Amino acid sequence: ETGVTQSPTHLIKTRGQQVTLRCSSQSGHNTVSWYQQALGQGPQFIFQYYREEENGRGNFPPRFSGLQFPNYSSELNVNALELDDSALYLCASSIRGRGNYGYTFGSGTRLTVV
Amino acid sequence: DQQVKQNSPSLSVQEGRISILNCDYTNSMFDYFLWYKKYPAEGPTFLISISSIKDKNEDGRFTVFLNKSAKHLSLHIVPSQPGDSAVYFCAAINQGGKLIFGQGTELSVKP
Repeated sequence: ETGVTQSPTHLIKTRGQQVTLRCSSQSGHNTVSWYQQALGQGPQFIFQYYREEENGRGNFPPRFSGLQFPNYSSELNVNALELDDSALYLCASSIRGRGNYGYTFGSGTRLTVV
Repeated sequence: DQQVKQNSPSLSVQEGRISILNCDYTNSMFDYFLWYKKYPAEGPTFLISISSIKDKNEDGRFTVFLNKSAKHLSLHIVPSQPGDSAVYFCAAINQGGKLIFGQGTELSVKP
């Protein structure tokens, strides 16, 4: 079974620009969560998608938005990039309702905003 | 508001000895806890978990202890091996079913 894949692995953007990060969920998983991990910090929950709808959101402004597609893959969009958006962005897929909360993480996208 | 806290940013242990990583939480409604291990350039990988109805869960060299009254859990690795060197994250599942992570502890196991 394939795991979670994220693209791109690295990118550099200028402040004020927009960025789209992509995530393909693990086979059989129907839920995707996005996390931001700043340097020296733990991953912070951004939002989760299930059945193509947002299913919970962390303390992030509206310029962070997302999509989930019928094949359960997902995108994270960030508008009006700020320097503090520089971080590792992690995607995790899971099966909603599964008792053991089997989250599988991708390797992340390292975003640098200059 | 940091609901899951790992107060030790780093820990260094000799190979063969015990590694103890600690985690505290503030929300008494958390009822499921997990430990993840993360190597550089990789995503976190699941290590071990514990439900709040238990106070101990063991899997090979890894044991997690939960003290609900103190809102504290710990991960014990015995014996520690150089390959265990990584960042370890404690996480809790909140009422919405989302993972809430601590800041992480970087473990270094020296040969």
